[in-house]
Amino acid sequence: KAGVTQTPRYLIKTRGQQVTLSCSPISGHRSVSWYQQTPGQGLQFLFEYFSETQRNKGNFPGRFSGRQFSNSRSEMNVSTLELGDSALYLCASSSQGTKNIQYFGAGTRLSVL
Amino acid sequence: TQLLEQSPQFLSIQEGENLTVYCNSSSVFSSLQWYRQEPGEGPVLLVTVVTGGEVKKLKRLTFQFGDARKDSSLHITAAQPGDTGLYLCAGDFGNEKLTFGTGTRLTIIP
Repeated sequence: KAGVTQTPRYLIKTRGQQVTLSCSPISGHRSVSWYQQTPGQGLQFLFEYFSETQRNKGNFPGRFSGRQFSNSRSEMNVSTLELGDSALYLCASSSQGTKNIQYFGAGTRLSVL
Repeated sequence: TQLLEQSPQFLSIQEGENLTVYCNSSSVFSSLQWYRQEPGEGPVLLVTVVTGGEVKKLKRLTFQFGDARKDSSLHITAAQPGDTGLYLCAGDFGNEKLTFGTGTRLTIIP
């Protein structure tokens, strides 16, 4: 069974640009969650999608958005990038939700210059 | 806001030594998960503890959930280089999402 796949693995953008990250969950998993990981703040919850609906949201500005498609694949978008958005963005899939076992992808490393 | 504090933040020990890392909160959590993250990878679940006072063992790793369900510890016996990584605890405070701790970065020196 294939694991969680995140693309791309690395991204370099400049301030003010926007970026879209992609996550393909484990087959059959309907919940996809996104996290931001930085050395200073650790791993912080962005949002969770379940069956194409955002079910839960963390404390991030509206520049961070996401969506989920009917095949459970999910995308995360960050608009008007800021230097502080440089981080490792992790996606996790689960059969039921964030409190069940989550399977993480390897992440997308975003650098904002 | 529920916070999970992990200590120590960094730990570097020799192969064969024992160690304990801690995860503490001021709030009660319904359950707690421990993950290990290796460089270039996402976190991988090690264990979930649910009942206060619960102890779970995974080979050389022993996980304990505090009686009051506000703290947890991870003890590693006879550490090996393969144990190197970032250890994260994640608590369920009953608000439909997991809150992750700040992490303990463990390095085992051969």
